[in-house]
Amino acid sequence: GDSVTQMEGPVTLSEEAFLTINCTYTATGYPSLFWYVQYPGEGLQLLLKATKADDKGSNKGFEATYRKETTSFHLEKGSVQVSDSAVYFCALRGGGADGLTFGKGTHLIIQP
Amino acid sequence: NAGVTQTPKFRILKIGQSMTLQCTQDMNHNYMYWYRQDPGMGLKLIYYSVGAGITDKGEVPNGYNVSRSTTEDFPLRLELAAPSQTSVYFCASREPGHGTGELFFGEGSRLTVL
Repeated sequence: GDSVTQMEGPVTLSEEAFLTINCTYTATGYPSLFWYVQYPGEGLQLLLKATKADDKGSNKGFEATYRKETTSFHLEKGSVQVSDSAVYFCALRGGGADGLTFGKGTHLIIQP
Repeated sequence: NAGVTQTPKFRILKIGQSMTLQCTQDMNHNYMYWYRQDPGMGLKLIYYSVGAGITDKGEVPNGYNVSRSTTEDFPLRLELAAPSQTSVYFCASREPGHGTGELFFGEGSRLTVL
């Protein structure tokens, strides 16, 4: 079945550092890919998405490119802020009635 | 615009008790989902519904029941609470069809079974 693998956390960085969170997937075909973010005590919010190969999703300084050759959708940001501290989930469209299949999440901690 | 609303936000149950987690959405979405989130495990699909009167099991349905009498509401029922059901529960919805598949989530319901 479909699955998503993302790097384990927690990931701890200093403010203004470069961020990469790796995400790879296994799926039939080329499903839409997503990054969701969960701030402490809150629900999941869509951060960015890509619907086909080579698409780049971007939002709030974060970017991710849909790479079908490597089945990857790595999340990047050039300069992180303390306010980026959260849990980040990589997901693909698939599963029951085309919901989302999620990775386990990566806890990101940004220190001032 | 409320989006997806879940109640209660927090609840403590004793083993064997029953309760219902409420979920309502005001976006006229046909598709609705219940997930549970456990630390380090991501989100697992419990049940889903593609429209009023239609529900189906997800990956981890045991111990839960759902109903869908209206487009807006999708309650999740726990009949005999067990410690293994201690988790954070999220309701989500989306538009039907072959769009991007983005899900809209509620803020979650944190359940503890003691």
